[in-house]
Formats: sequence, C-alpha cells, structure tokens
Amino acid sequence: GPKVLQIPSHQIIDMGQMVTLNCDPVSNHLYFYWYKQILGQQMEFLVNFYNGKVMEKSKLFKDQFSVERPDGSYFTLKIQPTALEDSAVYFCASSTDWGSYEQYFGPGTRLTVL
Amino acid sequence: GEQVEQRPPHLSVREGDSAVIICTYTDPNSYYFFWYKQEPGAGLQLLMKVFSSTEINEGQGFTVLLNKKDKQLSLNLTAAHPGDSAVYFCAALSDSGTYQRFGTGTKLQVVP
Repeated sequence: GPKVLQIPSHQIIDMGQMVTLNCDPVSNHLYFYWYKQILGQQMEFLVNFYNGKVMEKSKLFKDQFSVERPDGSYFTLKIQPTALEDSAVYFCASSTDWGSYEQYFGPGTRLTVL
Repeated sequence: GEQVEQRPPHLSVREGDSAVIICTYTDPNSYYFFWYKQEPGAGLQLLMKVFSSTEINEGQGFTVLLNKKDKQLSLNLTAAHPGDSAVYFCAALSDSGTYQRFGTGTKLQVVP
C-alpha cells in the first residue's frame, strides 16, 4: 500500500544545534502532520499543514519549530535551536483530506538531543 | 484537555488465546476512532476505523467494540498468532477533525 518515508531514522545532535526531519508523504496526499512521542508516553499531535500553511498546532509546537513543504519536495520539521526535551520519536503522516480520512504514518525519526 | 487512556501497557498471551486491549476516552463528543498496529521499524498500520454509530465492528481475526456510555473502545483479537505481536494504538479524532489523539500503546506478545 501507500507508504510514508522518513529520513533519517535516527539523528543525534548537540543541544542548541538545528535539526531538520524529512518526510516523504504519499504522492497524491495534500494534508500533512507531525506527531511527537516521548519514550513511554503517548504520541501527541504537533502540527498539521495544508496548502502551504499551518492549519492547526498544539502547545507542543514551540516557537523553535517550523514546518514547510517546498513544491514537490519533502515535508520538513525544523527545530532551531534544539533543547533536551525535544528528544523523542517524531512521526510524519499524510492524508487525502481531513477527518475520518486515513492518515498514513511513517516509521518515525528518533531524535536524541545531548 | 481531552485524553485517551489505554490498557494494559504490556500483554503476553499464548497462541490461540484471545487478547483484549481497552481504550477509555474523555471527550463525550468523540465520534470517530481508530486502531493501529505498529511492527518494529514500521509506521502505524491502520486496522480499523470506527464510527460512533456502530458498536460492533468485525475485522479479520478481531472485533472492535464501542461502548459510548462508558466511553470505551476495545480491540479483541479472537485467536492470537505470533504475527499479531506488535504495539497497538487506539486513537480518537479531535473535535476539529484535523488530528488524532492517541492512547499510550499496548505491546502485545504472542507466544507459540
């Protein structure tokens, strides 16, 4: 079936550095999402994105976070600067529409901030 | 804020036995729910979508029950086999319909 890819699968960086997490969504999807899962906790919604704009974000989506999808390329989550509490697995998802439409999830990027 | 609780966090059953995972949600307006399976190194695989009007939902080898009165959603694997070993997540669609609220996950191990 359709697959969402995430690159890299693991990333280790020093606190204060910038990191970009890349997501290759399903090709005909228009709605994109990032979720964050701290070890042992729930996966939590960060942000969704449609038509070049953030539509909704949670309180976890700090000012240091940004998302974009330049035409035809990856949907990215950038964190600048990173903090220790940003260590988590970040899941990207995409869908054809909102609501009950299936969100297809990538395998996640494990980010470790030292 | 609204929450989705999931239990148990870990579950080990013998092949052929049943396995039950329960999610409890707090938002009485929740109307759409999801069950996912995640195998190591893979993304979440959708098992079933559940609309609030349907209380019993049959899948291949499993049943999903929705109890709106108690705000509970359960996944019942009827005769588990080793291929069912994975982490299972429930989720509820947000009020806005634009994202999902997840449970904490259940790591299921099916022992031959």
